[in-house]
Amino acid sequence: EPEVTQTPSHQVTQMGQEVILRCVPISNHLYFYWYRQILGQKVEFLVSFYNNEISEKSEIFDDQFSVERPDGSNFTLKIRSTKLEDSAMYFCASSEYHKYEQYFGPGTRLTVT
Amino acid sequence: AQTVTQSQPEMSVQEAETVTLSCTYDTSESDYYLFWYKQPPSRQMILVIRQEAYKQQNATENRFSVNFQKAAKSFSLKISDSQLGDTAMYFCAFMKHGNFNKFYFGSGTKLNVKP
Repeated sequence: EPEVTQTPSHQVTQMGQEVILRCVPISNHLYFYWYRQILGQKVEFLVSFYNNEISEKSEIFDDQFSVERPDGSNFTLKIRSTKLEDSAMYFCASSEYHKYEQYFGPGTRLTVT
Repeated sequence: AQTVTQSQPEMSVQEAETVTLSCTYDTSESDYYLFWYKQPPSRQMILVIRQEAYKQQNATENRFSVNFQKAAKSFSLKISDSQLGDTAMYFCAFMKHGNFNKFYFGSGTKLNVKP
């Protein structure tokens, strides 16, 4: 069964550094999402992406964040200058056109030191 | 704004027994979807069950069923004949109808199934 994959599984970076988290959504899906979960807190929506543009973003998703679909398979989340509070589990998800079910990846644990 | 509340951070159940996980939500929307996702240890979240708010009949998927009380804004998950493989984090989630964008998640309930 097709799955969403994410790399790396764990990323450690220093404060102020740029990180890129990578996701490969399911191939026929058209909607892509990023969520994050700070340890012990709720899973929070960051951004959704459709037709090569952001369709919705949360207040968390400020100018430090960007998303891109550089080719036909990858979907990336970039954090330009990481802060300690960016330490979290980041989940990528994808869904088919006009379908409500989202398929989640296993997550990337980002640790900012 | 929508909020989803799961008031049970952790629960335990004996194998083969039945357990109910609670979820309440707050919304001014009349049409929406509710979901339960399961996240096994070190694995991705997978959909367990989905309920459309316009349907009065409670959704059922094998051993999993929901008790959807729209007026009370309650959406509990019942797991019958619990199995060791049901050990996981369970998230309740809300999505507005027509909004193929975001889930609003609860904080999760960690379920331990004991042999």
